[in-house]
Amino acid sequence: GNSVTQMEGPVTLSEEAFLTINCTYTATGYPSLFWYVQYPGEGLQLLLKATKADDKGSNKGFEATYRKETTSFHLEKGSVQVSDSAVYFCALSGGFQKLVFGTGTRLLVSP
Amino acid sequence: DTGVSQNPRHKITKRGQNVTFRCDPISEHNRLYWYRQTLGQGPEFLTYFQNEAQLEKSRLLSDRFSAERPKGSFSTLEIQRTEQGDSAMYLCASSPDEGVEKLFFGSGTQLSVL
Repeated sequence: GNSVTQMEGPVTLSEEAFLTINCTYTATGYPSLFWYVQYPGEGLQLLLKATKADDKGSNKGFEATYRKETTSFHLEKGSVQVSDSAVYFCALSGGFQKLVFGTGTRLLVSP
Repeated sequence: DTGVSQNPRHKITKRGQNVTFRCDPISEHNRLYWYRQTLGQGPEFLTYFQNEAQLEKSRLLSDRFSAERPKGSFSTLEIQRTEQGDSAMYLCASSPDEGVEKLFFGSGTQLSVL
């Protein structure tokens, strides 16, 4: 079946450090891939997405590339800020009108 | 900014009681979804409505769970005879015609069953 595996957190970084959060997936067919972010006390927000192999999604300095050969969609940012502290969820479109989420990775950025 | 609104934010109930949650989607979004999120896990799909029609239900949605969207606007999720295992965050999301390609989530209803 469809599934998403994310690296466990928390990921603790200093401001301006480089961020990578790993995400790999198992899927039948060719799903779309997503990163959602959840800030404290708020609902999940779509951060970026990619709909086919080799597509790169980007938003707010974050980016991720859909790698079919390694079944991965790693999230990266060149220089994190304190305001990026949140929980990040990788997800795929797992069939009719359904998203399948990973377990989430908490990011903590200190000044 | 009228995002997806969920009420109540928190609900504490005793085992065996019935509870009902409400979700008001973004105006004119014809697609509405319910997800459940337990501690340390990602959201899990429960059910999907297109307008007033419930088009898909997860096997997670036992016969104690029922969801409605009677006029194609707000939706309710009812859990009958609650169990401790029902304790979770219940999330609602809505979407325009893009469907799962662009979901807008509410802040959720946190249910605690004692």
